[in-house]
Amino acid sequence: NAGVTQTPKFQVLKTGQSMTLQCAQDMNHNSMYWYRQDPGMGLRLIYYSASEGTTDKGEVPNGYNVSRLNKREFSLRLESAAPSQTSVYFCASSLYGTEAYEQYFGPGTRLTVT
Amino acid sequence: AQTVTQSQPEMSVQEAETVTLSCTYDTSENNYYLFWYKQPPSRQMILVIRQEAYKQQNATENRFSVNFQKAAKSFSLKISDSQLGDTAMYFCAFMGAMEYGNKLVFGAGTILRVKS
Repeated sequence: NAGVTQTPKFQVLKTGQSMTLQCAQDMNHNSMYWYRQDPGMGLRLIYYSASEGTTDKGEVPNGYNVSRLNKREFSLRLESAAPSQTSVYFCASSLYGTEAYEQYFGPGTRLTVT
Repeated sequence: AQTVTQSQPEMSVQEAETVTLSCTYDTSENNYYLFWYKQPPSRQMILVIRQEAYKQQNATENRFSVNFQKAAKSFSLKISDSQLGDTAMYFCAFMGAMEYGNKLVFGAGTILRVKS
């Protein structure tokens, strides 16, 4: 099992460019999440999908969109990147509604917006 | 809204010694879960230990144990026999048991350096 995979691992964008971060999990989890990590602030939730077919805003959704493509895949899109979106982005998954509720994380994507 | 506070931005410990990382949280819920995650320089988030609020017994995982004080809303992590591989950022996190979506709320993290 690969667990949670993310692509790309690194990306540099110019202000105003768009890009999509990809996330996939092979653990048959129903819930998936996108977080951003900034120095001194821990991880903050951007969007989440509690089950296939649903998506909801987290703490910091502005400037982002998401798509739950199927049970395995959950993508995060930046339509017009801004320097404030320079961060490390993590995807995670879990089995919502069960005793196995821990979140498992991907390796992260370091994004720099110049 | 729940908040998680880690008041120690950085800590250091000698190899083989014991260190305790602090975490406090604020919630009005009675049933919830608490976690410690480790983030080594590789950036990978690794679950260290978890605690269910309804369990009075403190969780342990090998050299890692917690001191869970529900009334004080405190959840500290003790690392015994510290090893160089324990050098990492440690995050405390909260999850409401009845909250839709199993969302995690993280503290700002504590950088732990283990010295030889």
